This record gives sequence, structure tokens and C-alpha cells, in this order.
Amino acid sequence: DGGITQSPKYLFRKEGQNVTLSCEQNLNHDAMYWYRQDPGQGLRLIYYSQIVNDFQKGDIAEGYSVSREKKESFPLTVTSAQKNPTAFYLCASSPRGDTGELFFGEGSRLTVL
Amino acid sequence: AQSVAQPEDQVNVAEGNPLTVKCTYSVSGNPYLFWYVQYPNRGLQFLLKYITGDNLVKGSYGFEAEFNKSQTSFHLKKPSALVSDSALYFCAVRDWAGSNYQLIWGAGTKLIIKP
Repeated sequence: DGGITQSPKYLFRKEGQNVTLSCEQNLNHDAMYWYRQDPGQGLRLIYYSQIVNDFQKGDIAEGYSVSREKKESFPLTVTSAQKNPTAFYLCASSPRGDTGELFFGEGSRLTVL
Repeated sequence: AQSVAQPEDQVNVAEGNPLTVKCTYSVSGNPYLFWYVQYPNRGLQFLLKYITGDNLVKGSYGFEAEFNKSQTSFHLKKPSALVSDSALYFCAVRDWAGSNYQLIWGAGTKLIIKP
């Protein structure tokens, strides 16, 4: 079945370590997004990419990095510069166009010990 | 500034009763409005959207939403609630201010359906 796969589902990290969250989609979608979800705050956009080899910062990009070398892959690195990285991270994709319908992965929960 | 408000953190409804989850918005252009649902520790799922046309939009799982331009609202409704409808519901609106596509999200409303 087509969809978005995020891994790992749960991740624990020590302070000062970088971690990379994987996001792979087989929907042939052009656009991909990373969101951060904290309780009571809704979703906040970290980075998004509308085409291979191009990406833009969202509202809270500081302390994060991404790459888009392949259409189906959009990994997110949470660096040690991110002051409060413990959160639920969601990857999404959408086809080219203006429909506004996003397809989400199951999420990755990162806990910093 | 463009924004979305979900005024209720939590809504409690008895099974079989009608439910309403409220959403109001503020946008500078034509509103593209969306509802998503999230079950615990899962990703979000698209429920329905309003782009143009009929003010009553029907979506997945028996949900519908009514667009009210004068009240700038887009409330989610269902005639008869199920226990399985218990989840976190997000309203979102397209951000027309930027040059690239983005959604502005509400903070979410936890819907609890009691048997």
C-alpha cells in the first residue's frame, strides 16, 4: 500500500547528540513537510520541500536540518543546538497543486534524557 | 494576521448524541479550510475540506462541516457520536501570506465520547 513511513517510532537521545529521523513516501508526491507537535500547541512547521534538492525553513527551523536528495525521502536531523528537542515529530507529503490535503506518517517520538 | 482558533480544549459527548467541534478563522484571502483527526500516538488523517461551493461539506466517517463566512467559522459536526470518534481534532486554514504553501493549525480539540 502507498503511504508514508517514519522511523524510528520511539527514540531516546542523550543531551548533546544529533539524531536523524527518517521519512520515506511511495505516493509519488512532490512536496514533503516536517512538523513538531507539543501538547496543546497544535502543529508547528519545521521545514518543507516542494521539489528535490530544494527546501525552505518553516516557523521553527533553528536546531534542525534536512535534505531532499530523492523525491521519496526527506530525513530530519535534530541537532544538539535544538534546546528543547523532546517532542512528537510528524512527516507529511502532498501532491503538487493546491488541494491542501496532507498525508501524514505515524510519527516519531523523541525523548532527550 | 492569519489564525485559527479552536476555543474548546475538550468536548465531552454521550454516545448517540450529536457532536460539534468549533473552529473560527482569520484569513486575508479566500479561506481554504480543513479538518484532520489524530488518534493517540498516530499521525493525522484528513477528514474534509472546504475550498468553494456548498457551505456544507461532507467528509470521512460520517463527519461534516459547515462553512459560515459571516461568522468566519468552520465547525465540525456529526449527527450521532460513536465511542470510536474519541480522538484529537485539528482545524487548519491555508496561509495566503507566504509565497509558498503552508497550513496554519489550531491547537486541537480533544473529543471524548462516553458510552
